[in-house]
Amino acid sequence: GAVVSQHPSWVICKSGTSVKIECRSLDFQATTMFWYRQFPKQSLMLMATSNEGSKATYEQGVEKDKFLINHASLTLSTLTVTSAHPEDSSFYICSAKLGPQGFEQYFGPGTRLTVT
Amino acid sequence: DAKTTQPTSMDCAEGRAANLPCNHSTISGNEYVYWYRQIHSQGPQYIIHGLKNNETNEMASLIITEDRKSSTLILPHATLRDTAVYYCISNFNKFYFGSGTKLNVKP
Repeated sequence: GAVVSQHPSWVICKSGTSVKIECRSLDFQATTMFWYRQFPKQSLMLMATSNEGSKATYEQGVEKDKFLINHASLTLSTLTVTSAHPEDSSFYICSAKLGPQGFEQYFGPGTRLTVT
Repeated sequence: DAKTTQPTSMDCAEGRAANLPCNHSTISGNEYVYWYRQIHSQGPQYIIHGLKNNETNEMASLIITEDRKSSTLILPHATLRDTAVYYCISNFNKFYFGSGTKLNVKP
């Protein structure tokens, strides 16, 4: 149980284009999902908290107009990187909290984004 | 910001117990201690969490000191597949990852 999937697993896009990454909780409902970014040989950095039916809250220093987050249902959150640049190339990982009373988070496998 | 400190790396012989320490001296009363691990280029895997009492599951044991300022994750019989970066996190809702401990299990 508690499986989280991401799609795509990897994507290459050209500079200036936008790319959408999906995060799904497969066997549970997640009122809260989180998005992280990880650069090579670094730890995970929390980008934003996504709550179903409401606007995402972004961590300090994360551009909300560049990283659009939509949490349209209890099992799906999407992250859209708009006007991507090479410096946006990174490993993007989502997680989902197991229900309103659960505290642990379950992570997706990650999406490798390369901007050329 | 991360509120935990861990050693950068540790070695462990295959078959032996791996004891990974974590310091979380500023933990608040309602904050849990969570342990995750990340194998290269994968999403973090949940291991165990606890509040005050020691916890055990099929993967590991978690020992939390009485003052809750530190904890130890114990992998009872480490295998080569346990080689990973182990993260200790103490938060109530959001997770702020520290640098973690790179555990090298050697044959």
